[in-house]
Amino acid sequence: NAGVTQTPKFQVLKTGQSMTLQCAQDMNHNSMYWYRQDPGMGLRLIYYSASEGTTDKGEVPNGYNVSRLNKREFSLRLESAAPSQTSVYFCASTRRGFGYGYTFGSGTRLTVV
Amino acid sequence: AQTVTQSQPEMSVQEAETVTLSCTYDTSESNYYLFWYKQPPSRQMILVIRQEAYKQQNATENRFSVNFQKAAKSFSLKISDSQLGDTAMYFCAPFYPTQGGSEKLVFGKGTKLTVNP
Repeated sequence: NAGVTQTPKFQVLKTGQSMTLQCAQDMNHNSMYWYRQDPGMGLRLIYYSASEGTTDKGEVPNGYNVSRLNKREFSLRLESAAPSQTSVYFCASTRRGFGYGYTFGSGTRLTVV
Repeated sequence: AQTVTQSQPEMSVQEAETVTLSCTYDTSESNYYLFWYKQPPSRQMILVIRQEAYKQQNATENRFSVNFQKAAKSFSLKISDSQLGDTAMYFCAPFYPTQGGSEKLVFGKGTKLTVNP
């Protein structure tokens, strides 16, 4: 019962460094999502993927890129990290069209210094 | 833009009492779902309750129930017999269709609930 697996759980980056957050789900879900959570702001959508081979921008996509590698995996890349990207990042997935809401990963706490 | 407003940033309640968290949202969609998620200090996002917008009957899940007023675009969460384990951040989140044929959750900013012994 792995559900949605995110790696790493914690990361510290220096300004300008790059990194990729990994996300994988084993529930055969169509849609996958990346959110960031900042204090007092709730969760804001960065990018999502309705199905394998498609990606769309969410509310706060600037500074990020994504790849839907296959049906299971959806990665988030920071090409040149900035302190404003310090946040907790959540990956989530759902089976499209059923209105079940999301299954969430456990989150990645990223600090950019 | 689809907005979600949780007007109570923080609330507290005594153990065993009842508390209601409010949520209003703005959408032009007619078919959608609504959710409340709970986030305890562990950071994990936990589904509390789900409401289908086309159903008039309010959803109930054990001690948790909602008051859904579709015309007013209001979706409040009532927690009865509050327990210490209910201490968490609570997020209201409508689930809307997207142009790409998928759906997405839009989150409010959250209400931090503390249950006191």
